[in-house]
Amino acid sequence: QKEVEQDPGPLSVPEGAIVSLNCTYSNSAFQYFMWYRQYSRKGPELLMYTYSSGNKEDGRFTAQVDKSSKYISLFIRDSQPSDSATYLCAMTLYSSASKIIFGSGTRLSIRP
Amino acid sequence: EAQVTQNPRYLITVTGKKLTVTCSQNMNHEYMSWYRQDPGLGLRQIYYSMNVEVTDKGDVPEGYKVSRKEKRNFPLILESPSPNQTSLYFCASSLLVGQGDAKNIQYFGAGTRLSVL
Repeated sequence: QKEVEQDPGPLSVPEGAIVSLNCTYSNSAFQYFMWYRQYSRKGPELLMYTYSSGNKEDGRFTAQVDKSSKYISLFIRDSQPSDSATYLCAMTLYSSASKIIFGSGTRLSIRP
Repeated sequence: EAQVTQNPRYLITVTGKKLTVTCSQNMNHEYMSWYRQDPGLGLRQIYYSMNVEVTDKGDVPEGYKVSRKEKRNFPLILESPSPNQTSLYFCASSLLVGQGDAKNIQYFGAGTRLSVL
């Protein structure tokens, strides 16, 4: 079993829809949770960074962490074609980022 | 401009021919790391370094070497490449700050696509 599981998609939604992306994990010791966005032929870029359980909002993006269920989510409101990318969840034990475990990524396409 | 620069961007080589992929960052970051990205497997960490002369294995270190002689550079060395090392490689760097600090953002390079025939 992988430490971090992520549905690979692809996920295709119409412009303006709310998108929900999810990951599950097996190691209850993970404390720091991240979402990266990766455009085609580019390196990943950090979108959201959350510590422990709870919600964090940044513009159209909301990250949720439920440590009791070992489940994290990224919501995108009012989705735009420019949001079309692969989204990777990642998590680590420590904020010093010594060893980060990534999900396999979900490919998202927003239809105009 | 803050950058992580990898070279080359594309490389085709043959089995057993030693190669080095260079990585350089201009942000004075302590932490640097190498990943490989394969379809369905996501990003897997190869090696990381917390500072000069301090390196440690990630999840998939077999067949790779690294060195950190200077803070800005972190080359990835394949002494005897094999076809199963055909992959997309990323270098990343970040600050090392205190616990809970959101400045531990990892900046990624643009990637090196390697094919080993």
